[in-house]
Amino acid sequence: DARVTQTPRHKVTEMGQEVTMRCQPILGHNTVFWYRQTMMQGLELLAYFRNRAPLDDSGMPKDRFSAEMPDATLATLKIQPSEPRDSAVYFCASGPSLNQPQHFGDGTRLSIL
Amino acid sequence: AQSVTQPDIHITVSEGASLELRCNYSYGATPYLFWYVQSPGQGLQLLLKYFSGDTLVQGIKGFEAEFKRSQSSFNLRKPSVHWSDAAEYFCAVGWRGNKLVFGAGTILRVKS
Repeated sequence: DARVTQTPRHKVTEMGQEVTMRCQPILGHNTVFWYRQTMMQGLELLAYFRNRAPLDDSGMPKDRFSAEMPDATLATLKIQPSEPRDSAVYFCASGPSLNQPQHFGDGTRLSIL
Repeated sequence: AQSVTQPDIHITVSEGASLELRCNYSYGATPYLFWYVQSPGQGLQLLLKYFSGDTLVQGIKGFEAEFKRSQSSFNLRKPSVHWSDAAEYFCAVGWRGNKLVFGAGTILRVKS
């Protein structure tokens, strides 16, 4: 079964450090989504891409977060500088189009000390 | 604005009992409808989807859902719950050309 791969699965770092999370979408999927999940806020959409072009990143704090797709097999989400409030599970999902089911990775559990 | 409501934050059912999780959406256009399940420490897994046609759809793990246009609902059901069904369930709705909107989730606890 094809699956979305996220790395790392866990990350613990100190505040102020740069964090980079990576996602390999399913081959052939042209939409990629980044979500953040916390107990307090639930599942939040941060940004999404279609054909590697960013469509919407309004869910992301612009001053410290950035999302890119350097190529069709890699999506990245960066936080610089990181803060304790960024601690969450970050999910990447990909899909064949905007309205089709999204396939989720297992997430990156991020802890900022 | 497009929105998805899952009225129940938590639901507890006994093993073997039937289950219904509610999902309602706003917005008049014909939607695409999905249910996902999330087990602890894992990502969301697609249970079932509705695009068109028969309004009762079957999914994996014995789940089904029924689309009721008049009620703007897409409730998830299972006739007999197993302890392994304990998880969080998300309803998601999409409209043509727009991203999916997820509900806040319902946490299912199963009593033995």
